[in-house]
Amino acid sequence: EIVMTQSPATLSVSPGERATLSCRASQSVSSNLAWYQHKPGQAPRLLIYGASTRATGIPARFSGSGSATEFTLSISSLQSEDFAVYYCQQYNNWPPITFGQGTRLQIK
Amino acid sequence: QVQLVESGGGVVQPGGSLRLSCAASGFTFSNYGMHWVRQAPGKGLEWVSFIRYDGSDNYYADSVKDRFTISRDNSKNTLYLQMNSLRAEDTALYYCAKDKGFCTGGMCIGGAYYMDVWGKGTTVTVSS
Repeated sequence: EIVMTQSPATLSVSPGERATLSCRASQSVSSNLAWYQHKPGQAPRLLIYGASTRATGIPARFSGSGSATEFTLSISSLQSEDFAVYYCQQYNNWPPITFGQGTRLQIK
Repeated sequence: QVQLVESGGGVVQPGGSLRLSCAASGFTFSNYGMHWVRQAPGKGLEWVSFIRYDGSDNYYADSVKDRFTISRDNSKNTLYLQMNSLRAEDTALYYCAKDKGFCTGGMCIGGAYYMDVWGKGTTVTVSS
């Protein structure tokens, strides 16, 4: 099973600033990585797939990068609606499909 | 619009059974694989199961294998999760989710095995 590790567990950033979230895979997942945003009481939302392709309707301030075992989700100029929990997910080697434990992005 | 609505959650005793349903609308259900993903209280997302667009194959997390069964009825646009021998650790919010890959005639294109549409979930509580 591929273990996905996200860091940091919690990130405090001020609105308008940039946030950088990390995700590491225990072995290479090529570019088969997705990022999701999850707010309390809402359905998770696909942000990025293929490590760097934005999903339909996702603002350009969200960007993904990386390959193999190291990945980054960047959010430039944070808006109030961006404060949420973010998960990475690998789909290169499954079953099982595996998620990271999440990074909580909170207002500083 | 594309929508997934889960139902069937509730409170059940350890060892009991429950069947979850997920009603799909706004897309051609029979062209997409479907997933179940859960979130235990205070925890992150955990993938549970996947079924191919035509029901020809399915996959499970080790934690639910031999206890849970995923199925679908493409004529009713509905996904199911039959959960047997429930344990306290199965307590969670259960989401159904649509796979991104489009499949038809035995072929799938556009990538797959990540989820582009999610429902809002149904809560399962296993407690005596």
